[in-house]
Amino acid sequence: NAGVTQTPKFQVLKTGQSMTLQCAQDMNHEYMSWYRQDPGMGLRLIHYSVGAGITDQGEVPNGYNVSRSTTEDFPLRLLSAAPSQTSVYFCASSQGINSPLHFGNGTRLTVT
Amino acid sequence: GQSLEQPSEVTAVEGAIVQINCTYQTSGFYGLSWYQQHDGGAPTFLSYNALDGLEETGRFSSFLSRSDSYGYLLLQELQMKDSASYFCAVSGGSYIPTFGRGTSLIVHP
Repeated sequence: NAGVTQTPKFQVLKTGQSMTLQCAQDMNHEYMSWYRQDPGMGLRLIHYSVGAGITDQGEVPNGYNVSRSTTEDFPLRLLSAAPSQTSVYFCASSQGINSPLHFGNGTRLTVT
Repeated sequence: GQSLEQPSEVTAVEGAIVQINCTYQTSGFYGLSWYQQHDGGAPTFLSYNALDGLEETGRFSSFLSRSDSYGYLLLQELQMKDSASYFCAVSGGSYIPTFGRGTSLIVHP
């Protein structure tokens, strides 16, 4: 099993550009989520999904968009990149609310 | 909403025991979990407490008191490889855990 796969590993964007961070899991997990991690701030929830076709906002959703058309995939879209979105992004999946989160290896994004 | 407090840094020597505390506020509570993250890596799951008491997994134990909204992670027989960041996370009103800001554990020889 590959677990949770995130691509790309690194990305540099210019302000105003858009891009999609990919996340795929092969564990048939219903729950998927996106977090961003900044120094001293821990992991902050951006968006999450509890099943295909269902998404909801987390703590810091502004500037990001998600969709969940399949159980496996949960892409995160940056609509118009800003320097404040420079961060490390982690995708995670789990079987349910009381189950451990399985994290991808992260995407390190720099916006100049 | 949900919020968690944990110390920003803890230091200890190899072979010692260290405790990392976590207090939380949440509307609704399902459980408290702990994750470890080495520099440059992804967080990995360590333990989960849904009920009061101590859960032991090898050198690591986790404790929960729901009445005090408090938990801790206990690491015994510390090794250099235990140097990492440790996050508590609460599963409460939302379906997805909310994380604390993390505790950096530095283990000295």
